[in-house]
Amino acid sequence: KAGVTQTPRYLIKTRGQQVTLSCSPISGHRSVSWYQQTPGQGLQFLFEYFSETQRNKGNFPGRFSGRQFSNSRSEMNVSTLELGDSALYLCASSPRTGGEQYFGPGTRLTVT
Amino acid sequence: ELKVEQNPLFLSMQEGKNYTIYCNYSTTSDRLYWYRQDPGKSLESLFVLLSNGAVKQEGRLMASLDTKARLSTLHITAAVHDLSATYFCAVDIYGIGSKLTFGTGTRLQVTL
Repeated sequence: KAGVTQTPRYLIKTRGQQVTLSCSPISGHRSVSWYQQTPGQGLQFLFEYFSETQRNKGNFPGRFSGRQFSNSRSEMNVSTLELGDSALYLCASSPRTGGEQYFGPGTRLTVT
Repeated sequence: ELKVEQNPLFLSMQEGKNYTIYCNYSTTSDRLYWYRQDPGKSLESLFVLLSNGAVKQEGRLMASLDTKARLSTLHITAAVHDLSATYFCAVDIYGIGSKLTFGTGTRLQVTL
């Protein structure tokens, strides 16, 4: 069974731009969660989508948003990028909300 | 707010030695996860502990959970260089959905 895939794997953007990251969950998994990892703040939960609905949200500004499609694929969007948004963004999928999560390889975003 | 603390933050140990990583969390939970992360890579699931007194072992790693003490331990037996990585514990709360709160991580360096 294929694992969680994330695209792109690496991205360089300029302050003020916006970015969209994509995540394809493991086949049959309906829950997708997003996490941000930085050296200073560690691993932080962004949001979870289940059956196309946002189920949980972390403490991030409204510039961070996401959505989930009917095939469970998910995208997250960051608008008006700031230098502090440079991070590894990890997507995880689970068969159900609250189940064990399986992480993708991540997207490394660099904001210059 | 759920808080998860890990110690030590950094651990340098010689091959063949034993050591324990500790994970304390602040809110009642009976679900705890251990992950391994190699530099620049994603999170690899090591153990899922779902009940008080749960103990799981894989090779030289053994994890346990004491929900009454809100404590989990990851014990390393006879360390080898291949175990060098960062180890994270993470907790979620049943019924809240897929929202992991991570510890700060323990960077383990096993020297030859």
